[in-house]
Amino acid sequence: GQQVMQIPQYQHVQEGEDFTTYCNSSTTLSNIQWYKQRPGGHPVFLIQLVKSGEVKKQKRLTFQFGEAKKNSSLHITATQTTDVGTYFCAGRNFGNEKLTFGTGTRLTIIP
Amino acid sequence: GAVVSQHPSWVICKSGTSVKIECRSLDFQATTMFWYRQFPKQSLMLMATSNEGSKATYEQGVEKDKFLINHASLTLSTLTVTSAHPEDSSFYICSARDLRGTSGNTIYFGEGSWLTVV
Repeated sequence: GQQVMQIPQYQHVQEGEDFTTYCNSSTTLSNIQWYKQRPGGHPVFLIQLVKSGEVKKQKRLTFQFGEAKKNSSLHITATQTTDVGTYFCAGRNFGNEKLTFGTGTRLTIIP
Repeated sequence: GAVVSQHPSWVICKSGTSVKIECRSLDFQATTMFWYRQFPKQSLMLMATSNEGSKATYEQGVEKDKFLINHASLTLSTLTVTSAHPEDSSFYICSARDLRGTSGNTIYFGEGSWLTVV
């Protein structure tokens, strides 16, 4: 079955440093979504990428969808303590409503 | 914005009893809802797709007789964990897709339900 892997599994950064998480799918995706889950909380939708090579920005967050639509990345510039949490990518296959979640990257910030 | 509500947030039950978790879309209709299970520090694993007015579609390895799903209306899906055992203790999360307007592909998650079976 489809697998969606993320690296790294954990990332500890000093406040102000940048952070990147990478997402790789075993199959070509119709679209990919990114979610943030705070400790003890539920996943919150961040963004959806649909087009090959698409790049979207949300303030300090930059999301990218690979040309082959099998990988994606999330980059946070100048991290803040509010960025703490686990970031999940979730891929959807063509003709299927189901989302397959990535393994997640847990970000912790050192003040 | 769209909100998906889950109830209860926390539940403790005795081994062998059944527990029902509700998932409601508060301001939009959802013909399809999804139920996930999340173990501590792990990813979300899709358990089943709940379809309004028809049977749920279960993922491989998920016992449909143990995890009963009912989607009786366009705003409510329920997950019943039958004859719960300690290994069923987990965080259960539902989600629903908002098909309205420009947010047609946005999925909203409920707050999740922590189940502890003792």
